[in-house]
Amino acid sequence: QSVLTQPPSVSGAPGQRVTISCTGSSSNIGAAYDVHWYQQLPGTAPKLLIYGNTNRPSGVPDRFSASKSGTSASLAITGLQAEDEADYYCQSYDTSLSGSWVFGGGTKLTVL
Amino acid sequence: QLQLQESGPGLVKPSETLSLTCTVSGGSISSTIYYWGWIRQPPGKGLEWVGSIYYNGNTYYNASLKSRVTISVDTSKNQFSLKLSSVTAADTAIYYCARLGYLEGATSWGQGALVTVSS
Repeated sequence: QSVLTQPPSVSGAPGQRVTISCTGSSSNIGAAYDVHWYQQLPGTAPKLLIYGNTNRPSGVPDRFSASKSGTSASLAITGLQAEDEADYYCQSYDTSLSGSWVFGGGTKLTVL
Repeated sequence: QLQLQESGPGLVKPSETLSLTCTVSGGSISSTIYYWGWIRQPPGKGLEWVGSIYYNGNTYYNASLKSRVTISVDTSKNQFSLKLSSVTAADTAIYYCARLGYLEGATSWGQGALVTVSS
């Protein structure tokens, strides 16, 4: 059972918008810790997609955006493309675990 | 460009110690901004933080693994290492080394090393 909760799967057609939620608690996201998002393409290492709740590293398309509010965070992908089909993970930190890094269980995005 | 590369045995017997090394190139492991860490992923499952180390040797471990984990750093070789003792089949996973920042997230990852625990 992951500390951060994500839906196991989401799907959308090319060109559509999808969102992936990440729900935590008052000891992690709600404690004002930053949320980061990672994209893992099949058979590859995860890649940083969003850092510091809303920031995109250089090279990440602006089709990817994220937000955070209260004890939850959300990743949005607009203009869905076939190449976006991947697993997505949120990550934060937890005070009840001495500041340990915690991950969501991951969400499989399927492009229909 | 920063690169990380894991190395070590791909097969470990139950009850023995898993040992992996991460070699960092294209940047210094003595950075005062970043930590260096290990994150693992059992086959078909999600990501789990194992632990992190700062260049000065300060370590931070996942509470569920703390009694079995040791992470060390060798700044002269630009490497850091993971030892996980008393392994079981549940420790079978792809082990990634990564550069970690609290504000930046896991900014760079190695390609991963699959370690299988089996007799």
